[in-house]
Amino acid sequence: TVLTQSPGTLSSSPGESVTLSCRASHSVSSNYLAWYQHKPGQAPRLLIYDASIRATGIPDRISGSGSGTDFTLTISRLEPEDFAVYYCQHYGISAALTFGGGTKVEIK
Amino acid sequence: QVRLVQSGAEVKKPGASMQVSCMTSGYTFSSYTVHWLRQAPGQRLEWMGWINTGNGNTKYSPKFQDRVTITRDTSASTAYMELTSLRSADTAVYFCARDGSSYSNIVAYYFDYWGQGTLVTVSS
Repeated sequence: TVLTQSPGTLSSSPGESVTLSCRASHSVSSNYLAWYQHKPGQAPRLLIYDASIRATGIPDRISGSGSGTDFTLTISRLEPEDFAVYYCQHYGISAALTFGGGTKVEIK
Repeated sequence: QVRLVQSGAEVKKPGASMQVSCMTSGYTFSSYTVHWLRQAPGQRLEWMGWINTGNGNTKYSPKFQDRVTITRDTSASTAYMELTSLRSADTAVYFCARDGSSYSNIVAYYFDYWGQGTLVTVSS
């Protein structure tokens, strides 16, 4: 399964909301789709798993949705720490484990 | 708090071997599978393999099966990844990550905590 993330780069301002897309080439079984945030030189951070479940400590202004082949990560009321690269990941079994190419959210 | 701290950057010659360590704290080491992944420049994140830190069982990606070995030292709460026969295409940032399942015999294949990454450069 190939994951295609769009847009590649998204320019936005603090306080605004953004929507990131992750499209799978085949249907994702059991909604096994995760989202991560990654800043340069830091450890990636799990945001969402099972398509819509927030990981520990993730604020409710970050949400995931979708099923089948189309998934979305929405970040409301952007804060300075939200500017980063975001990856989606399909999982379930090792053979299905793939990552998207990432969306960079940058400050406008 | 849960932490995974990796060893520092390395420069290796083609044909050499590398080993990266991942020291964990803040949780029961033997209760969670630890994975290794990497990201080469301009490439997507790539899964390499995992180790069941309780019984030492491992599973590797077919791409790395013949060159990678993942081990652990439970007394040190540390996992290790060794990659042999290095080539320039192995230049990448290598990550360890904890599996999202709290059941040691179930591997979820998503990653709830990650190390900070270790840059390995392979160059003559």
